[in-house]
Amino acid sequence: AAGVIQSPRHLIKEKRETATLKCYPIPRHDTVYWYQQGPGQDPQFLISFYEKMQSDKGSIPDRFSAQQFSDYHSELNMSSLELGDSALYFCASSSSSGRAYNEQFFGPGTRLTVL
Amino acid sequence: DQQVKQNSPSLSVQEGRISILNCDYTNSMFDYFLWYKKYPAEGPTFLISISSIKDKNEDGRFTVFLNKSAKHLSLHIVPSQPGDSAVYFCAASEYNQGGKLIFGQGTELSVKP
Repeated sequence: AAGVIQSPRHLIKEKRETATLKCYPIPRHDTVYWYQQGPGQDPQFLISFYEKMQSDKGSIPDRFSAQQFSDYHSELNMSSLELGDSALYFCASSSSSGRAYNEQFFGPGTRLTVL
Repeated sequence: DQQVKQNSPSLSVQEGRISILNCDYTNSMFDYFLWYKKYPAEGPTFLISISSIKDKNEDGRFTVFLNKSAKHLSLHIVPSQPGDSAVYFCAASEYNQGGKLIFGQGTELSVKP
């Protein structure tokens, strides 16, 4: 079965650079979530989109922005990168239909390292 | 403020025995709870979930129990297998909050042959 695809899997950037992370949800899933997992920490919710509109916002820095496109893929744009942005970034998708509306399926993650 | 807590960072169990992973929460508005399994360098894999209107959900070797009055849930794995060794995250969500998941800190389960 098709899963959530994230690219790139690994990314190394210098401080103050920008990064773009991409997420391709499971087909027919209309909702995308972004999470950040720091070393030894639990995943923290960043932002979510439903039908291409932002549906919720968590602890996402102003330096970060995201959007969901017409094909439902999503991109997380990160500017003025800081050392503390080094983390695993997960994308998850879910379907708003049916009872399993918030069973989220996660991608493999993008490991961002800021030097 | 940690709204979802997994107080045991690690658990070691013998193969064939029962594994019990615990999770506590503080927000009484949570109405859906999920367990995820995570291997290093991979994303969390959905295991099993339970709605707040139920107190038990079973799927093969995995059973989740919910005690709303105690704000406590547990995941039972029986029989445990070496392939179950991974980090297990408990997560909770609130329907009116758009479905975002609030995770616990995780419990690393080690199943010894």
